[in-house]
Formats: sequence, structure tokens, C-alpha cells
Amino acid sequence: SAVISQKPSRDICQRGTSLTIQCQVDSQVTMMFWYRQQPGQSLTLIATANQGSEATYESGFVIDKFPISRPNLTFSTLTVSNMSPEDSSIYLCSVEPPSSRTYGYTFGSGTRLTVV
Amino acid sequence: KQEVTQIPAALSVPEGENLVLNCSFTDSAIYNLQWFRQDPGKGLTSLLLIQSSQREQTSGRLNASLDKSSGRSTLYIAASQPGDSATYLCAVRPASNDYKLSFGAGTTVTVRA
Repeated sequence: SAVISQKPSRDICQRGTSLTIQCQVDSQVTMMFWYRQQPGQSLTLIATANQGSEATYESGFVIDKFPISRPNLTFSTLTVSNMSPEDSSIYLCSVEPPSSRTYGYTFGSGTRLTVV
Repeated sequence: KQEVTQIPAALSVPEGENLVLNCSFTDSAIYNLQWFRQDPGKGLTSLLLIQSSQREQTSGRLNASLDKSSGRSTLYIAASQPGDSATYLCAVRPASNDYKLSFGAGTTVTVRA
């Protein structure tokens, strides 16, 4: 299965600023996913990013707040814009499994964001 | 809408005891179910993937069972060790052409030395 490198692993940011999170995959994948995990909560899908098209956002998430880039089949970024303390969460990227039924989803190592 | 529940939310056991973690889902029409481990502040590590046609899947000390008709999966961890302390999440994939996972809230396990 794919190996994902995600960075930064953690950051502490001032409110009103923006942070860009990067995910690099060691193989080409069509679909990449961005999740948020608020403290003590489970994962919530923010958006699905396909190469060459606009990301598809889930209800409650908007492009102005969470712009996503997907310039090629191995890379994607998520920006958390105009941050507030409520944005303090772990952000994770994931990729679609290979077509084989043997593999499940692979996740990056997560970015722990604290907004002060 | 698929809802995934994990009970208990937290579990503390002495080292050596077997762990039993439960995952239930409301819609039995699933493609597969995946168990993950998450260490504090970190990403998810895949443990086991069990297809809808399978009854169980095993890897080392881990065994996952699936009963689709009753909407349940159980993760068994044999002879627990302090290194097994983590949060365990289950996630359900609805269909082969639907990539959106539904996650449970997780069970946080503490194994006491």
C-alpha cells in the first residue's frame, strides 16, 4: 500500500494566520482525502481532492476556509485559513486504496495544530 | 446514513489480559470494514481490513470478526502488552464505488504493566 509523508507534524499558530499542510505520496493516486479530528472526537471528512479538478467539500466545510491544491498525482496541500482556537485539531490526509480488495486506506502521520 | 458506534469508549486492563473491542454499524450494506490504531496526536495505522464476504481476519495477536447481518465487528487482541495502549478506531466503507468512510469514535485502551 502507499506510503504518505505528511508535514508539519505539529504547529502552534497565532489566531488570524494560515497554515499549509502538505502530503506527499510515494505512488500515483487519483483520490486524496483530508480529514479533521477535533479533540476527543472521531474523524470528519473535510474534502476529496482529485488531480486536475476542484476539490469536493463536505457539508460544513468551505473552500475559503480550507483551500486545497492537488497539482499532481502524488501531492496535495490543505490550508487552514484565518485560524481561530476552534481550528485546533489533528488534520490527516489519506489516499484511496489500490483497486485490489486486499488493501484498505492509508493515512498520513497527522498534523497536530494548536491555535492560540 | 451510516452510524458507527464503539463501546466502550475507554478500557483499562492489566498486562497479559485479552482485549475485546466492539464496533457496531447501522447499515449492514457495507463493502468492507477497517480497524485502525491511533497513538496520541498521531495519524492512523491500519491494523486489519475485513471484506464484507469474510467472517474474520487475523494478523499476529490480532483477530477481527465481522457479522454483517447483525451490524457488528469485534477486534480481539491476545495477551495484551503496554505497547498496545492506544485508541482503536473502526471505519466502514459503504460500497466499492463510494470512498467515504464512516468512523466510530474509538476505544481508548490502557494496558497496565
